[in-house]
Amino acid sequence: DADVTQTPRNRITKTGKRIMLECSQTKGHDRMYWYRQDPGLGLRLIYYSFDVKDINKGEISDGYSVSRQAQAKFSLSLESAIPNQTALYFCATSVAGQGEGETQYFGPGTRLLVL
Amino acid sequence: QKEVEQDPGPLSVPEGAIVSLNCTYSNSAFQYFMWYRQYSRKGPELLMYTYSSGNKEDGRFTAQVDKSSKYISLFIRDSQPSDSATYLCAMSAAAGGTSYGKLTFGQGTILTVHP
Repeated sequence: DADVTQTPRNRITKTGKRIMLECSQTKGHDRMYWYRQDPGLGLRLIYYSFDVKDINKGEISDGYSVSRQAQAKFSLSLESAIPNQTALYFCATSVAGQGEGETQYFGPGTRLLVL
Repeated sequence: QKEVEQDPGPLSVPEGAIVSLNCTYSNSAFQYFMWYRQYSRKGPELLMYTYSSGNKEDGRFTAQVDKSSKYISLFIRDSQPSDSATYLCAMSAAAGGTSYGKLTFGQGTILTVHP
């Protein structure tokens, strides 16, 4: 079984719609992250959470919001989707103090297309 | 200017070649340096991790960090078609730094090893 799961894996939506991407993990990690990946731009951090009560903006948080429902669940919402939010979205987890510089473990990704 | 710069390639080499992948960075607070490998339609997975300057070898892979030049490299010896993937460098700061607990990624280099 996958340690970090993302749902849905693929999603097509229309401009203006609200959508939610979900991430669950069974690794027991306290830290969770949301990234988007665009061709030629690498991975860019949207939001991150170091524990259930801690939510922080990343470098590209505008147009997105998150919810940390439990240690194992971290959801990303697009309140009103726009075409330039078309991208591949990844959830990742890590554990503090593991001695390897916060190595992150990634889910399989959600491919989002906004028409 | 991006904090981490990586040549996106694409890079195409014959099987058995030595591959050199590189990243430069500008943030002197970075202490942890990683290479992630991402196969098509998959999430990134950690390939190599190095703390501070120096070399680390794991089978056919060698990671080098030169903090004085703010330059890191990944070498792949005897490259195989199964090495075909996108390679992403990533970095984070030590505890206490503003980037601690967050990874900053390069743009990724697309590598193809042909038989």
